[in-house]
Amino acid sequence: KQEVTQIPAALSVPEGENLVLNCSFTDSAIYNLQWFRQDPGKGLTSLLLIQSSQREQTSGRLNASLDKSSGRSTLYIAASQPGDSATYLCAFLNQAGTALIFGKGTTLSVSS
Amino acid sequence: DAGVIQSPRHEVTEMGQEVTLRCKPISGHNSLFWYRQTMMRGLELLIYFNNNVPIDDSGMPEDRFSAKMPNASFSTLKIQPSEPRDSAVYFCASSLNRGDGYTFGSGTRLTVV
Repeated sequence: KQEVTQIPAALSVPEGENLVLNCSFTDSAIYNLQWFRQDPGKGLTSLLLIQSSQREQTSGRLNASLDKSSGRSTLYIAASQPGDSATYLCAFLNQAGTALIFGKGTTLSVSS
Repeated sequence: DAGVIQSPRHEVTEMGQEVTLRCKPISGHNSLFWYRQTMMRGLELLIYFNNNVPIDDSGMPEDRFSAKMPNASFSTLKIQPSEPRDSAVYFCASSLNRGDGYTFGSGTRLTVV
């Protein structure tokens, strides 16, 4: 069964800290991996998309890496801000493109 | 670009009633997923369409659930009859091509009483 595990489940940090969210997946034959953000009661917003041939992607203060061989991805958030408080979800698209499998997410709280 | 549009935003219905959720993918997108999200189980994949054809419906929980995509700009998820355990937020997501990443709608919050 294809699974995604995200650690930690919850994280609280003071404003300004750099932090890393972890994602591991069981299927190394992925097509791509996508990181999303979800605010309470809202939909999912795509943050970064990493193709299977890529190692990392960057957008502003966010950097996501992908290591297919070990089945891991990390999301690095630099200089965290209270506005970064949300649940962060990673999901991989299987090789056939027929399933986008999600982890349970990491809920981040950044205090000012 | 209006994004993926779902309707209604909220639906409250009585047990046993039929419920239809609607999704309009981004114009030109040819791949579409339906998901269900609950606190206990997270995001569960229900069904995948490609070029309006259901490719994988192995995630549909029971025969009470059905999904259609009559054309490239419209998809429905129907639950008949609805039960309280169907209460969840239902999302659809679309993508231009397999490698382009998915855009999610705002979801429909379904409450079955």
